[in-house]
Amino acid sequence: NAGVTQTPKFRILKIGQSMTLQCTQDMNHNYMYWYRQDPGMGLKLIYYSVGAGITDKGEVPNGYNVSRSTTEDFPLRLELAAPSQTSVYFCASRGQGTHEQFFGPGTRLTVL
Amino acid sequence: RKEVEQDPGPFNVPEGATVAFNCTYSNSASQSFFWYRQDCRKEPKLLMSVYSSGNEDGRFTAQLNRASQYISLLIRDSKLSDSATYLCVVTSTGTASKLTFGTGTRLQVTL
Repeated sequence: NAGVTQTPKFRILKIGQSMTLQCTQDMNHNYMYWYRQDPGMGLKLIYYSVGAGITDKGEVPNGYNVSRSTTEDFPLRLELAAPSQTSVYFCASRGQGTHEQFFGPGTRLTVL
Repeated sequence: RKEVEQDPGPFNVPEGATVAFNCTYSNSASQSFFWYRQDCRKEPKLLMSVYSSGNEDGRFTAQLNRASQYISLLIRDSKLSDSATYLCVVTSTGTASKLTFGTGTRLQVTL
Protein backbone atom coordinates (compact mmCIF):
# COMPACT_ATOMS: atom_id res chain seq x y z
CA ASN A 1 0.00 0.00 0.00
CA ALA A 2 1.82 3.11 -1.22
CA GLY A 3 -0.84 5.51 0.13
CA VAL A 4 -0.76 8.88 -1.61
CA THR A 5 2.06 9.46 -4.07
CA GLN A 6 3.01 12.70 -5.78
CA THR A 7 5.34 13.47 -8.67
CA PRO A 8 7.58 15.30 -9.18
CA LYS A 9 9.17 15.96 -5.79
CA PHE A 10 10.80 19.19 -6.98
CA ARG A 11 10.40 21.40 -10.02
CA ILE A 12 11.63 24.78 -11.20
CA LEU A 13 9.50 26.57 -13.79
CA LYS A 14 9.99 29.75 -15.73
CA ILE A 15 7.26 32.38 -15.71
CA GLY A 16 4.60 31.50 -18.24
CA GLN A 17 5.41 27.79 -18.44
CA SER A 18 2.81 25.16 -17.59
CA MET A 19 3.00 21.83 -15.82
CA THR A 20 0.92 19.09 -14.26
CA LEU A 21 1.45 17.87 -10.72
CA GLN A 22 0.50 14.24 -10.44
CA CYS A 23 -1.28 12.66 -7.48
CA THR A 24 -2.29 9.02 -7.12
CA GLN A 25 -3.79 7.10 -4.21
CA ASP A 26 -4.26 3.36 -3.88
CA MET A 27 -6.68 3.34 -0.94
CA ASN A 28 -9.83 3.56 -3.07
CA HIS A 29 -10.71 6.87 -1.44
CA ASN A 30 -13.50 8.91 -2.97
CA TYR A 31 -12.36 12.25 -1.62
CA MET A 32 -9.21 13.94 -2.83
CA TYR A 33 -7.77 17.39 -2.17
CA TRP A 34 -5.03 19.73 -3.36
CA TYR A 35 -3.43 22.19 -0.95
CA ARG A 36 -0.63 24.68 -1.16
CA GLN A 37 1.55 25.67 1.78
CA ASP A 38 3.55 28.88 1.72
CA PRO A 39 6.34 29.47 4.28
CA GLY A 40 4.93 30.26 7.71
CA MET A 41 1.37 29.86 6.47
CA GLY A 42 -1.31 27.26 6.92
CA LEU A 43 -2.34 24.94 4.15
CA LYS A 44 -4.79 26.49 1.72
CA LEU A 45 -7.26 24.37 -0.24
CA ILE A 46 -6.97 24.79 -4.01
CA TYR A 47 -9.42 22.21 -5.39
CA TYR A 48 -11.13 19.11 -4.15
CA SER A 49 -13.06 16.17 -5.54
CA VAL A 50 -15.76 14.03 -3.96
CA GLY A 51 -15.49 11.30 -6.58
CA ALA A 52 -14.52 10.52 -10.15
CA GLY A 53 -15.88 13.13 -12.52
CA ILE A 54 -16.70 15.64 -9.75
CA THR A 55 -14.44 18.54 -8.80
CA ASP A 56 -14.95 21.84 -7.04
CA LYS A 57 -13.02 24.97 -6.17
CA GLY A 58 -11.44 25.51 -2.80
CA GLU A 59 -10.18 28.70 -1.23
CA VAL A 60 -7.43 29.60 -3.75
CA PRO A 61 -8.29 28.09 -7.19
CA ASN A 62 -7.13 30.89 -9.48
CA GLY A 63 -4.36 29.84 -11.86
CA TYR A 64 -5.04 26.11 -11.41
CA ASN A 65 -7.18 23.42 -12.97
CA VAL A 66 -7.95 19.84 -11.99
CA SER A 67 -9.56 16.75 -13.42
CA ARG A 68 -10.69 13.48 -11.86
CA SER A 69 -11.23 10.86 -14.53
CA THR A 70 -10.47 7.93 -12.20
CA THR A 71 -10.81 7.28 -8.47
CA GLU A 72 -7.04 6.92 -8.14
CA ASP A 73 -5.73 10.03 -9.92
CA PHE A 74 -6.22 13.72 -9.25
CA PRO A 75 -3.77 15.81 -11.31
CA LEU A 76 -3.34 19.55 -10.75
CA ARG A 77 -2.58 21.68 -13.78
CA LEU A 78 -0.78 25.03 -13.64
CA GLU A 79 -1.20 27.17 -16.75
CA LEU A 80 1.00 30.24 -17.21
CA ALA A 81 3.07 29.81 -14.05
CA ALA A 82 3.62 32.94 -11.95
CA PRO A 83 6.10 33.61 -9.09
CA SER A 84 3.12 33.75 -6.70
CA GLN A 85 2.64 30.02 -7.34
CA THR A 86 5.99 29.21 -5.75
CA SER A 87 4.93 26.93 -2.92
CA VAL A 88 4.80 23.38 -1.61
CA TYR A 89 1.84 21.48 -3.01
CA PHE A 90 0.24 18.64 -1.06
CA CYS A 91 -2.31 16.19 -2.33
CA ALA A 92 -4.51 14.36 0.19
CA SER A 93 -7.25 11.77 0.20
CA ARG A 94 -9.78 10.43 2.66
CA GLY A 95 -12.20 7.56 2.79
CA GLN A 96 -15.93 7.53 3.36
CA GLY A 97 -17.08 7.92 6.95
CA THR A 98 -13.88 9.41 8.31
CA HIS A 99 -12.46 12.91 8.49
CA GLU A 100 -8.81 11.83 8.51
CA GLN A 101 -6.96 12.97 5.42
CA PHE A 102 -3.83 11.18 4.24
CA PHE A 103 -1.26 13.39 2.61
CA GLY A 104 1.30 12.76 -0.09
CA PRO A 105 4.94 13.82 0.41
CA GLY A 106 4.47 17.09 -1.47
CA THR A 107 5.87 18.79 -4.57
CA ARG A 108 8.17 21.77 -4.07
CA LEU A 109 7.62 24.19 -6.94
CA THR A 110 9.67 27.30 -7.67
CA VAL A 111 8.64 29.73 -10.40
CA LEU A 112 11.39 32.10 -11.53
CA ARG B 1 -9.95 37.38 11.73
CA LYS B 2 -8.33 34.08 10.68
CA GLU B 3 -10.58 31.04 10.77
CA VAL B 4 -8.10 29.12 12.91
CA GLU B 5 -5.54 30.96 15.01
CA GLN B 6 -2.47 29.56 16.72
CA ASP B 7 0.58 31.01 18.42
CA PRO B 8 3.38 30.26 15.93
CA GLY B 9 6.00 29.82 18.69
CA PRO B 10 8.60 28.50 18.70
CA PHE B 11 8.18 26.83 22.04
CA ASN B 12 11.61 25.72 23.25
CA VAL B 13 11.32 23.23 26.11
CA PRO B 14 13.71 20.78 27.77
CA GLU B 15 13.19 17.06 27.52
CA GLY B 16 10.70 15.87 30.12
CA ALA B 17 8.81 19.15 30.29
CA THR B 18 5.07 19.56 29.88
CA VAL B 19 3.97 21.95 27.17
CA ALA B 20 0.54 23.17 26.08
CA PHE B 21 -0.63 24.66 22.81
CA ASN B 22 -3.84 26.55 22.27
CA CYS B 23 -5.94 27.26 19.23
CA THR B 24 -9.08 29.30 18.60
CA TYR B 25 -11.50 28.98 15.70
CA SER B 26 -13.98 31.52 14.40
CA ASN B 27 -16.71 29.42 12.80
CA SER B 28 -19.13 28.28 15.48
CA ALA B 29 -20.59 25.77 13.02
CA SER B 30 -17.30 23.85 12.77
CA GLN B 31 -17.99 20.20 13.36
CA SER B 32 -14.80 18.24 13.91
CA PHE B 33 -11.42 19.12 15.32
CA PHE B 34 -7.98 17.64 15.01
CA TRP B 35 -4.34 18.09 15.77
CA TYR B 36 -1.98 17.23 12.93
CA ARG B 37 1.77 17.01 13.24
CA GLN B 38 4.12 18.22 10.52
CA ASP B 39 7.83 17.49 10.61
CA CYS B 40 10.22 19.83 8.82
CA ARG B 41 9.79 19.55 5.04
CA LYS B 42 7.33 16.67 5.39
CA GLU B 43 3.61 16.19 4.94
CA PRO B 44 1.11 16.68 7.77
CA LYS B 45 -0.02 13.55 9.62
CA LEU B 46 -2.96 13.13 11.94
CA LEU B 47 -1.89 13.19 15.58
CA MET B 48 -5.28 12.92 17.20
CA SER B 49 -8.90 13.91 16.95
CA VAL B 50 -10.34 16.25 19.58
CA TYR B 51 -13.59 15.41 21.32
CA SER B 52 -15.82 17.57 23.50
CA SER B 53 -15.24 15.32 26.48
CA GLY B 54 -11.48 15.58 26.07
CA ASN B 55 -9.32 12.68 25.03
CA GLU B 56 -5.92 11.25 25.75
CA ASP B 57 -3.46 9.24 23.71
CA GLY B 58 -0.41 8.30 25.74
CA ARG B 59 1.44 11.50 26.60
CA PHE B 60 -0.93 13.65 24.53
CA THR B 61 -4.19 15.16 25.80
CA ALA B 62 -6.57 17.18 23.65
CA GLN B 63 -9.47 19.28 24.87
CA LEU B 64 -12.26 21.18 23.14
CA ASN B 65 -14.32 24.04 24.54
CA ARG B 66 -17.13 24.70 22.07
CA ALA B 67 -18.55 27.62 24.05
CA SER B 68 -15.22 29.48 23.87
CA GLN B 69 -14.29 28.00 20.44
CA TYR B 70 -11.00 26.89 21.86
CA ILE B 71 -8.90 23.75 21.40
CA SER B 72 -5.84 22.70 23.34
CA LEU B 73 -3.09 20.11 23.14
CA LEU B 74 -1.03 19.09 26.16
CA ILE B 75 2.18 17.10 25.77
CA ARG B 76 3.61 15.54 28.91
CA ASP B 77 7.16 14.26 29.37
CA SER B 78 8.34 15.83 26.09
CA LYS B 79 10.75 13.81 23.96
CA LEU B 80 13.28 15.05 21.43
CA SER B 81 11.18 13.27 18.81
CA ASP B 82 8.20 15.52 19.64
CA SER B 83 10.00 18.43 17.93
CA ALA B 84 7.72 19.38 15.05
CA THR B 85 5.02 21.84 14.05
CA TYR B 86 1.57 21.12 15.46
CA LEU B 87 -1.34 22.14 13.26
CA CYS B 88 -4.77 22.87 14.66
CA VAL B 89 -7.40 21.77 12.15
CA VAL B 90 -11.17 22.14 11.97
CA THR B 91 -13.68 20.85 9.46
CA SER B 92 -16.41 22.79 7.77
CA THR B 93 -19.96 21.62 7.40
CA GLY B 94 -20.89 19.73 4.26
CA THR B 95 -20.06 16.38 2.77
CA ALA B 96 -16.64 17.27 1.41
CA SER B 97 -15.26 17.58 4.95
CA LYS B 98 -12.90 20.34 3.98
CA LEU B 99 -10.18 20.99 6.51
CA THR B 100 -9.16 24.47 7.61
CA PHE B 101 -5.63 24.61 8.97
CA GLY B 102 -4.03 26.92 11.45
CA THR B 103 -0.55 28.14 10.63
CA GLY B 104 0.91 25.79 13.23
CA THR B 105 2.84 26.02 16.48
CA ARG B 106 6.47 25.02 16.33
CA LEU B 107 7.87 22.94 19.20
CA GLN B 108 11.58 22.39 19.76
CA VAL B 109 12.49 19.95 22.52
CA THR B 110 16.09 20.21 23.68
CA LEU B 111 18.42 18.12 25.84
